[in-house]
Amino acid sequence: DIQMTQSPSSLSASVGDRVTITCRASQGISDYLNWYQQKPGKAPKLLIYAASSLQSGVPSRFSGSGSGTDFTLTISSLQPEDFATYFCQQSYSTPLTFGQGTKVEIK
Amino acid sequence: EVQLVESGGGLVQPGGSLRLSCAASGFTFSSYWMHWVRQAPGKGLVWVSRINSDGRTTTYADSVKGRFTISRDNAKNTLYLQLNSLSADDTAVYYCARDGCTNGVCYTSWGQGTLVTVSS
Repeated sequence: DIQMTQSPSSLSASVGDRVTITCRASQGISDYLNWYQQKPGKAPKLLIYAASSLQSGVPSRFSGSGSGTDFTLTISSLQPEDFATYFCQQSYSTPLTFGQGTKVEIK
Repeated sequence: EVQLVESGGGLVQPGGSLRLSCAASGFTFSSYWMHWVRQAPGKGLVWVSRINSDGRTTTYADSVKGRFTISRDNAKNTLYLQLNSLSADDTAVYYCARDGCTNGVCYTSWGQGTLVTVSS
């Protein structure tokens, strides 16, 4: 199975900050990497697919990069509605696996 | 508007069974692969199973293989997950999700989730 490791597990940031979350795969997964946002009590929401493609309707302050084993989700200017937990997911092979999540909290 | 609505969750005793349903609307259900993903309370997301568009191809996580069965009825626009031999480790919110990507898998739509609690 491909292990996905996110860092950090949590972070505190202020509105307007630039935030970067990293996801590392245990083996190369090309660009088969997605990012999701989840708020408490809600289903996840797709932000980025294929490592860097912005899902329709998602604000442009969200961006993704990377290929192979190392990937990054960047929020260029954190907004109040962005405080949530973020998960990466690889779709290179089954079982499809997720990172453990990164909780973004208000500083 | 794409909608996925899960039902069938609840409290079940260890060793028991449950069938989850996911009613789809707002899109051509029979054209999409569908997945189940679960999330234990306070934990992360775990992929459970997937089924192809015509229902002939299924894949399972090792943790549920032989106990869970995914199926679909394209005439009823409904996805199912039969859960057997349940244990406390299966306690989770179960989400159905639509694979909306053409290259790789990505979940463009999710249901609201249905909670399965396994306890005596």
